[in-house]
Amino acid sequence: DVQMTQSPSYLAASPGESVSISCKASKSISNYLAWYQQKPGEAYKLLIYSGSTLQSGTPSRFSGSGSGTDFTLTIRSLEPEDFGLYYCQQYYEKPLTFGSGTKLEIK
Amino acid sequence: QIQLVQSGPELKKPGESVKISCKASGYTFTDYAMHWVKQAPGKGLKWMGWINTYTGKPTYADDFKGRFVFSLEASASTANLQISNLKNEDTATYFCARSVGRYYFDYWGQGVMVTVSS
Repeated sequence: DVQMTQSPSYLAASPGESVSISCKASKSISNYLAWYQQKPGEAYKLLIYSGSTLQSGTPSRFSGSGSGTDFTLTIRSLEPEDFGLYYCQQYYEKPLTFGSGTKLEIK
Repeated sequence: QIQLVQSGPELKKPGESVKISCKASGYTFTDYAMHWVKQAPGKGLKWMGWINTYTGKPTYADDFKGRFVFSLEASASTANLQISNLKNEDTATYFCARSVGRYYFDYWGQGVMVTVSS
């Protein structure tokens, strides 16, 4: 199985700041990587797929980069509504696997 | 708008069975595969497998072979997950999720909390 190592597990930042979340795959997954956001009481939301393609409706302050084994989700100029949990997921091969998650808190 | 609405929370005893539903609306149900994902309390997401909503063929991840059954009520645009012989470790929130392309998920259900306790 492809192991996805996500870091950090916790992040606190102030509105206006930029943050980055890392996701490393145990083998090359090309660009078959998605990022999701979950807020309490809400369904998971797809933010980015194919490593860097923004899903319709995802604000442009979100960006994804990377290919192969190393990927990064960057949120520029944080907004208060960006708090929540973030997960990466590889879909290069089955079983589909997820990172362990990053909890983003807004200071 | 596209929605996946799941059934309500369940409290079961070990050895019992549970059936969770996921009703899709806002799109043609048979055009997209449906996946199931488990999230145990305080844990990450674990992919359980998927069902081809056109053919009805299920595919299970290795850890979910045997007691888990994916099924459809296609006429009702509903996917179901049944778990038999429930164990304490089945306590989790179970999500349905619609997949796009090569299996990333563009819509998720809100999740169903299943608690297994004697």
